Order: sequence, then structure tokens, then C-alpha cells
Amino acid sequence: EPEVTQTPSHQVTQMGQEVILRCVPISNHLYFYWYRQILGQKVEFLVSFYNNEISEKSEIFDDQFSVERPDGSNFTLKIRSTKLEDSAMYFCASRTAYEQYFGPGTRLTVT
Amino acid sequence: AQRVTQPEKLLSVFKGAPVELKCNYSYSGSPELFWYVQYSRQRLQLLLRHISRESIKGFTADLNKGETSFHLKKPFAQEEDSAMYYCALPYNQGGKLIFGQGTELSVKP
Repeated sequence: EPEVTQTPSHQVTQMGQEVILRCVPISNHLYFYWYRQILGQKVEFLVSFYNNEISEKSEIFDDQFSVERPDGSNFTLKIRSTKLEDSAMYFCASRTAYEQYFGPGTRLTVT
Repeated sequence: AQRVTQPEKLLSVFKGAPVELKCNYSYSGSPELFWYVQYSRQRLQLLLRHISRESIKGFTADLNKGETSFHLKKPFAQEEDSAMYYCALPYNQGGKLIFGQGTELSVKP
């Protein structure tokens, strides 16, 4: 059964550095999402992406964040200058008509 | 505003006992609601959605519009049911999910 994959599984970075989190959605899906979950808190929506553009973004998704689908298969989330409060699990998801399929997540630790 | 509330952070029961994980929502319109489950070290996966009215792994959930609830129930809990459970509301055409805080279910032998 096809799955959403994410790399790396764990990323440690220093404050102020740029990070790129990578996702490979399921191939025939058209909607893509990033969510994050700070330790002990709920899963929060960051951004949705459809037809090669952002369809919606949350208040969290400020100018430090960007998303790309550079080659028709990968879907990336970039954080330009990481802050301590960006430490979280980041989940990618892609969607059929009804169901969102989630990746295993990338744990981002900002020191 | 659209919101999903799961009032219990942790629910601990013994094997064979009934389980009810609570979910309340705030939504203007006719909602579609999901339960997602996350087993230890695994990804979030869809457990069930209200429109399908399925029973998955013995779990059921009924949408109660009067009480704005979508509680998840199972008559006899099993140890393998131990996991995090999230109630979620897809919102607008883009389908972003609004999650509750999650309830950790612990089923003791």
C-alpha cells in the first residue's frame, strides 16, 4: 500500500539556521498539507497546497516558512531562520477525496 | 470559530472494560468528523469517519448534532487499543483538519 514518506526522521539544527523538511506524498493525490505538533500540544495545521500553489495557511505560517513542490514528487517545507519555538514534530499529509494520509513525521530540534 | 475539544488527556481502563473517548465540536453547518489513531511510534492513521458509519476494530462513533459531540466507543477494550486518539474536523474546501488535543488511551491487563 502506498505511503507518505518524510525525511529526515530527526533533524537537529542551531537557532538561526535554515532547514528543509522533505516529504513524498502518495503519487495520485492532489492536496498536500503540513502540520506540526509541539510536544504535549495538539496537532496544528500549517499550510495546504493544491495545483502548485498555497491554498491556505495558518497564522503560524509566517514569512519564515515556505513550501515547494520542486519536481512533481517531493513536497518540501523550508524554515528560513529557525527559532527555539520551532522545535516540534512536523507531519506531511496528502489527500484523496475523503482521507488524509500522514507521513511518519520529522522531529525538528532547534538548539 | 471552528473548534474540537477532547476533555480527557488520559483515559485508563482495564482490558474488557467499555471505553468512551469524548469529542465535542463547534462548527457552523453540517460537520464531517473523523477519529484518527496514533499507535506508539507509528503515524497518524484514520480510524473512522462519521459519514461511513463503519465499525473499525470494534470502535464506533455517532454524530450527535444536538450535543455537538462525536464520542468514540468500544464495548470491550483490548490492550492493543492503547494509543493516542485524535478527533478531527475537516474545514472548508481545502480540507485542512482541525484536531482536538488528543486522548491517550491506556488499556491495562
